[in-house]
Amino acid sequence: DAMVIQNPRYQVTQFGKPVTLSCSQTLNHNVMYWYQQKSSQAPKLLFHYYDKDFNNEADTPDNFQSRRPNTSFCFLDIRSPGLGDAAMYLCATRGTSGGHEQFFGPGTRLTVL
Amino acid sequence: AQSVTQLGSHVSVSEGALVLLRCNYSSSVPPYLFWYVQYPNQGLQLLLKYTSAATLVKGINGFEAEFKKSETSFHLTKPSAHMSDAAEYFCAVKLYNTDKLIFGTGTRLQVFP
Repeated sequence: DAMVIQNPRYQVTQFGKPVTLSCSQTLNHNVMYWYQQKSSQAPKLLFHYYDKDFNNEADTPDNFQSRRPNTSFCFLDIRSPGLGDAAMYLCATRGTSGGHEQFFGPGTRLTVL
Repeated sequence: AQSVTQLGSHVSVSEGALVLLRCNYSSSVPPYLFWYVQYPNQGLQLLLKYTSAATLVKGINGFEAEFKKSETSFHLTKPSAHMSDAAEYFCAVKLYNTDKLIFGTGTRLQVFP
């Protein structure tokens, strides 16, 4: 089945230690999104790629970076995680030739010690 | 700015009872509308979507929603709740000229036996 895959599902890192979260998709969608979701809150968009074009949200901290080396993969880099960065990170995709919905991966839960 | 309002952060129903989760949006132009469900430690799963076709939309798991332009509403209903429906539900809108979803704050549905 075509899908959005996130690895790892659970990630533990230390305060200040860089961490990379991974997202891959077999849907061949040209738009990919990264969201941060804290407990009992709605997902908050960090940035998205439309093909190779990177679109950063104005309130996304500089500590968060992203790479999209090809259509299938997208990475979220947190350069110096703080305790406040502990959250669920969701990757989503959208195809521009079909519907307007986004398809979400299962998420990576990040713990910062 | 566009917004999505979900009335009631928590809704509790008995198994077999009607489920009604409310969503209102602010937009002068009917947007694309979505309901997503999120189970604990999972990503968001699309329940149903409105994309300017039929105003009564049927989704998965017996859910449906009706788009009412005059009320700027897109309430989610299910005739008979099941224990497995207990989850967080998010209403979201997408405007024609953007790549982004605007999420409501979510409604946590509890189902009691």
